Amino acid sequence: GQQLNQSPQSMFIQEGEDVSMNCTSSSIFNTWLWYKQDPGEGPVLLIALYKAGELTSNGRLTAQFGITRKDSFLNISASIPSDVGIYFCAGHGSNFGNEKLTFGTGTRLTIIP
Amino acid sequence: EAQVTQNPRYLITVTGKKLTVTCSQNMNHEYMSWYRQDPGLGLRQIYYSMNVEATDKGDVPEGYKVSRKEKRNFPLILESPSPNQTSLYFCASSWDREGYGYTFGSGTRLTVV
Repeated sequence: GQQLNQSPQSMFIQEGEDVSMNCTSSSIFNTWLWYKQDPGEGPVLLIALYKAGELTSNGRLTAQFGITRKDSFLNISASIPSDVGIYFCAGHGSNFGNEKLTFGTGTRLTIIP
Repeated sequence: EAQVTQNPRYLITVTGKKLTVTCSQNMNHEYMSWYRQDPGLGLRQIYYSMNVEATDKGDVPEGYKVSRKEKRNFPLILESPSPNQTSLYFCASSWDREGYGYTFGSGTRLTVV
């Protein structure tokens, strides 16, 4: 299947710091999605991106759909304790009838007291 | 409340004993999927369904079966579980083929001994 490389795998930051993570693919995607998974729960959609170059914000979160359509970026500004969790990128292909949503391996965010 | 409900949340079973994990959604979504989450591998799709009686393999279908007899239900069946199927399983549903993204259940943690 398609591969999504997500980096970094983990981040240890202090409260108030900004966070950046990215996702790269060997294939072109039509849609990029960013999810967050809290401990013991399923992933929850944060941001959806539909066009190359698109920049979308959701509160302190900003995500961008790369121009090449093979990458995406997520930034979190002024991190707070509830930002802790695993962040997944996901890409949706362009093949008609292909409903597969390919996920990255996740970035685990930890806030150091 | 719109939700995807999985049962059970936790399950410990023995090798070879058939089991079913149920999944139900109350959002009238057409598209449903099963994923497994393993450390370092992110979320990998097992099977997905485009509508009633329409299912297809994801990236890791071996050892699993699904059925979609009703729109709201999408059970995952392990006919003869093995230890390598020990994992965290998520069911998800979506209304949008193009990728508004899935709504995930809270997960089923399965241990096969």
